[in-house]
Amino acid sequence: EDKVVQSPLSLVVHEGDTVTLNCSYEVTNFRSLLWYKQEKKAPTFLFMLTSSGIEKKSGRLSSILDKKELFSILNITATQTGDSAVYLCAVDSNYQLIWGAGTKLIIKP
Amino acid sequence: EPEVTQTPSHQVTQMGQEVILRCVPISNHLYFYWYRQILGQKVEFLVSFYNNEISEKSEIFDDQFSVERPDGSNFTLKIRSTKLEDSAMYFCASRPGQGVFTEAFFGQGTRLTVV
Repeated sequence: EDKVVQSPLSLVVHEGDTVTLNCSYEVTNFRSLLWYKQEKKAPTFLFMLTSSGIEKKSGRLSSILDKKELFSILNITATQTGDSAVYLCAVDSNYQLIWGAGTKLIIKP
Repeated sequence: EPEVTQTPSHQVTQMGQEVILRCVPISNHLYFYWYRQILGQKVEFLVSFYNNEISEKSEIFDDQFSVERPDGSNFTLKIRSTKLEDSAMYFCASRPGQGVFTEAFFGQGTRLTVV
């Protein structure tokens, strides 16, 4: 059975801290891994990763994929209160997205 | 910027009633999806749709559910006889193509409350 596991389930840090969110997966037909940020409603796209070892970066956010060890990490540096959200990892397997449970990130001022 | 739009944003219905959730995918996209998220739980795949037919569906997508693309722009999810456990946020998504380098774009969701 395809599965995506995220850790930790929740995380509370202070503004300015750096956080690392983890996503591991076991799927039958890996095509890509995607990170989304979910605040109030729809997930908004952050990154899509298809190749091992190539870091994707957008401002203070970055992500990397390890296809040998079957995991990805999402880093957020110099966190701000606006980064508070649920971060979702999803794996594209057989043309459908398999979702992790998410990491709820709370940034305290 | 093109976006996926969903209506209504919130629907309350009585158990046993039929509901239709509507989505307008991005116009040149070819692949369409419905996902649901029960409050506090993970996002779950329901169904994918391509070339006017279902390409994949999950165990959740039983005979009570159906999808349709009636007019080339709308993509609807119908639940025939709603149950309390159908209460969830329903997200529509679309993709331009099925290639590796395409991400799914999500609508803002319809919150369905079955009472």
